[in-house]
Amino acid sequence: DAGITQSPRHKVTETGTPVTLRCHQTENHRYMYWYRQDPGHGLRLIHYSYGVKDTDKGEVSDGYSVSRSKTEDFLLTLESATSSQTSVYFCAIRATGTSFSEMAKETQYFGPGTRLLVL
Amino acid sequence: GQQVMQIPQYQHVQEGEDFTTYCNSSTTLSNIQWYKQRPGGHPVFLIQLVKSGEVKKQKRLTFQFGEAKKNSSLHITATQTTDVGTYFCAGPRKTSGSRLTFGEGTQLTVNP
Repeated sequence: DAGITQSPRHKVTETGTPVTLRCHQTENHRYMYWYRQDPGHGLRLIHYSYGVKDTDKGEVSDGYSVSRSKTEDFLLTLESATSSQTSVYFCAIRATGTSFSEMAKETQYFGPGTRLLVL
Repeated sequence: GQQVMQIPQYQHVQEGEDFTTYCNSSTTLSNIQWYKQRPGGHPVFLIQLVKSGEVKKQKRLTFQFGEAKKNSSLHITATQTTDVGTYFCAGPRKTSGSRLTFGEGTQLTVNP
């Protein structure tokens, strides 16, 4: 699974509290992503990173911030959690293809997910 | 913006029946990817199709990429209970190939 871990795996928190989710990878992948998954919405991109300290917004970035101070870690922070942020959060990396397979670089590998419940 | 749509959203089959899910993009794709997510699990990359009209097989799974590179299908022959899960298609965004647009997925249940 491309050496991706997420922590915590489960979290229950209260509305208004800050929450930080961690994604850790061991294979030096440049691109990392945070998605949320909700019934009826598939996978929606929150933020992504294309290198240390280089991040950009996805389609559902409001209420979330990210940081990437080292290649292996990509942190997702809910500044003040709301019930609408109850979801399953997946981290992903973009595969690094060989020089003979450029397109393979665009495939993604996902971490095990974090289930977050905001009460 | 770019949209990727999948139908059906849900499919219930008896074990041994065939299953097909369809994926349609609002824009031409450089490639299409398919992922499977088992219940309670995470999405797992299955396959990538690149060429117009391409067909690839993985055992009982057959993947096709349309001639216009805007649609794709996944067909499972003689489903088994191990096929249960949600199947997603995804394509790179035109404006940023490092990002993928995912379809909403087709949830397959198989009755033994």
